[in-house]
Amino acid sequence: NAGVTQTPKFQVLKTGQSMTLQCAQDMNHNSMYWYRQDPGMGLRLIYYSASEGTTDKGEVPNGYNVSRLNKREFSLRLESAAPSQTSVYFCASSEDRGRAETQYFGPGTRLLVL
Amino acid sequence: GDSVTQMEGPVTLSEEAFLTINCTYTATGYPSLFWYVQYPGEGLQLLLKATKADDKGSNKGFEATYRKETTSFHLEKGSVQVSDSAVYFCALNAGGTSYGKLTFGQGTILTVHP
Repeated sequence: NAGVTQTPKFQVLKTGQSMTLQCAQDMNHNSMYWYRQDPGMGLRLIYYSASEGTTDKGEVPNGYNVSRLNKREFSLRLESAAPSQTSVYFCASSEDRGRAETQYFGPGTRLLVL
Repeated sequence: GDSVTQMEGPVTLSEEAFLTINCTYTATGYPSLFWYVQYPGEGLQLLLKATKADDKGSNKGFEATYRKETTSFHLEKGSVQVSDSAVYFCALNAGGTSYGKLTFGQGTILTVHP
């Protein structure tokens, strides 16, 4: 099992450019999440998908869109990148969304917006 | 809202020293509590968790006890190793309408010297 995989590992964008971050999991999990990690702030939830076909906003959704393509894949799109979106992005999945569920994280995508 | 506060870092220790990383939380209801660890260049992975008051989570020599009366979940290890150098995150999942969201502390960088 590969677990949670993310592509790309690293990306540099210019302000205003768009890109899609890809995430896939092979654990047959129902729930998937996108977080961003900024220095001194821990991780903050951008969007989540409780199950295939559903998505909803987290704490910091502005400037992002998501697609739950199927049960395995959950992509994050930046339509018009801004320097404030420079961050490390993590995708995670869990079997369900109960309060005791363990979330499994991908290796992250480091994004630099110039 | 829900929040997690961790002790300020970074923490630098010599090998075989005793480790404590403090974590306190604010949440409505009865959250589950987690410690995640992030090794250099990797995603987060679960270290241990506790789902109800007085539960003790343990793994790889690390322990933490869910203390409802002091709203704390401090991480301890009796004898740290160089390989324990990483960033440690305390997190909670409040359940209910929080849809499986993890709320993270800001992270504590631990460096262990030989």
